[in-house]
Amino acid sequence: QVQLQESDPGLVQPSETLSLTCTVSGGSISSYYWSWIRQPAGKGLEWIGRIYTSGSTNYNPSLKSRLTMSVDTSKNQFSLKLSSVTAADTAVYYCARVTAYWFDPWGQGTLVTVSS
Amino acid sequence: DIQMTQSPSSLSASVGDRVTITCRASQSINNYLNWYQQKPGKAPKLLIYAASSLQSGVPSRFSGSGSGTDFTLTISSLQPEDFATYYCQQSYSTPFTFGPGTKVDIK
Repeated sequence: QVQLQESDPGLVQPSETLSLTCTVSGGSISSYYWSWIRQPAGKGLEWIGRIYTSGSTNYNPSLKSRLTMSVDTSKNQFSLKLSSVTAADTAVYYCARVTAYWFDPWGQGTLVTVSS
Repeated sequence: DIQMTQSPSSLSASVGDRVTITCRASQSINNYLNWYQQKPGKAPKLLIYAASSLQSGVPSRFSGSGSGTDFTLTISSLQPEDFATYYCQQSYSTPFTFGPGTKVDIK
């Protein structure tokens, strides 16, 4: 059974770059799209972007100018970098596999706080 | 971007009640509509994909219907473990978007 686990960056300074990694276990990362989704406290879900194992990406236009996603198939990992963060980027960040056209499974989520 | 709306935003119901949640897309999305359940402090869990297909392991009291712009999630007989927030999500085009959620709590 495939499981996903996000890294835990914890606190990120304003204007710095948020870096997250999702490690996939129990199956191969190959031949799937993988996504990041975030959720501010008490609010709804926002899709951040997706990456295929070839490296092809689709980003949410609202974040595109600050966003970079990458994949490392040798480590069964994919990553997100979000630059110039502000308090508005504080959220729980989830990674998820895109199975056909839906998100399943999901990681447990990691809280990222942007604060000095 | 395709905008998703849900109604109601919250509802109170009793164990055994039939519950219906509606999701509407701002344009036709065919059947590219998924439903998730989220409990506090947990990741969302896929319930229904492609509008009406039940995810493996999900109880049969959950069902989905609809096509085009209007969709429905139905819980035929609400159980204690079903009290949660439910989100719809379109996968017709990027950026994928979610509805604002419907919170189901105990009456």
